[in-house]
This record gives sequence, C-alpha cells and structure tokens, in this order.
Amino acid sequence: GAVVSQHPSRVICKSGTSVKIECRSLDFQATTMFWYRQFPKKSLMLMATSNEGSKATYEQGVEKDKFLINHASLTLSTLTVTSAHPEDSSFYICSARDVKNIQYFGAGTRLSVL
Amino acid sequence: AQKVTQAQTEISVVEKEDVTLDCVYETRDTTYYLFWYKQPPSGELVFLIRRNSFDEQNEISGRYSWNFQKSTSSFNFTITASQVVDSAVYFCALSEGRAAGNKLTFGGGTRVLVKP
Repeated sequence: GAVVSQHPSRVICKSGTSVKIECRSLDFQATTMFWYRQFPKKSLMLMATSNEGSKATYEQGVEKDKFLINHASLTLSTLTVTSAHPEDSSFYICSARDVKNIQYFGAGTRLSVL
Repeated sequence: AQKVTQAQTEISVVEKEDVTLDCVYETRDTTYYLFWYKQPPSGELVFLIRRNSFDEQNEISGRYSWNFQKSTSSFNFTITASQVVDSAVYFCALSEGRAAGNKLTFGGGTRVLVKP
C-alpha cells in the first residue's frame, strides 16, 4: 500500500515557539493532503485541506494564522504551529490522498508544549 | 450533513472469538464512499477497506469481512477468530465525494481489546 511519512513523531517545545511538522507521500503524488488533530481517546478532527500550489482550506474554528500550512510540492505538505501554547498540545496526523481518493495516513506527531 | 456513528466505544473479547463492529452513517448524497481504518497503539491509521455506495457486495479479506447494507445505512465490520494483534481502535469513515472535497467524516471509533 501507499506510504506516508510524518516527521517528527514526537516534539516537546517551550511555550511561544513554533513547530513545523512534515508530511510526505513516499511512493505516490498527492495533490491533496489533510491535517487532523486527535485528542486522547477521541476521534480525528479535520483541521484543514492542503492543496498543492494553492492556499489551504481550513475548517470552521481553526485559526489559519495559528496553523500555517504549505503544500509546495506533490509529495510534501507542512504544518507549522506558530507561537505554540500548552493548549496546542495534541496528536497531529496527516493524510495524503491518492488517485483512487483513498487517504493514507502518516504515523502522527505528538506535540507537547511546556 | 454527513455523520458517522459507532455506537460501541469499547469491546473486549478473548482470543479466537469473533467480534463485530457496528457503523451507521447518514448522508444526503447518492454517491459516497465508506472506509474502515485501524489505529493500533502506535498511532498511525491503517487503511483497511473502501466501499462505494453503488457496490453492496459484501467483502472478505482473510479474517476480516464487511457487510454493507444501504437499506439500514450500515457498514459493519467483523473480525473472525480474533488475535491479540487485532487490539486497536477501529474507525469507520464516510466521504461524500468530489463535490464535498472528498473529506472524511470519522465515527467516534471502537476500541477493541483482545485478551489472550
């Protein structure tokens, strides 16, 4: 099956700093990638849709200036959590959609903001 | 609006027992896709199956089987002869297709615990 790599798997940072998370589709091209947030023992909440070469589409209630998304190539999307605060601590997971419209997911990034 | 309901939050079984996970969905579209994903303790979501709304054929893949019934808007998943490695959270998801951006709406997930 298709492989999506997400890096880093875990990050601990100080409050006020910015954190960048990368999502790469390794064996297929993805014009569309998605970013989700998952709270403990909860389901996945879609944050935004990342489109190659254009601006991301954010879900209602998600601050676009807080969560910057860049999709500069057909295999890479990045999520930057700017000026992170403890309430941003969460599990962030990305997916890449293939030509069959199946989303393949990365292994997730656990962010802890101190 | 689309919605996916997984009524069972947690199921505990003993190894070799069968376990069925329920999934009920709501959508106004006639064209849609249904998915099942597995999330083991490591965190990544593993794609298991996709079924489109026009294909009601049931499917079997090894110990996994899926029962899709449009009449009851359900897409249930059965693990036969469960194993400890099946312990994970299983998510059912719905996509309404291109017009809706192919976004996935997830159910709340069912945690399956298989005891030896």
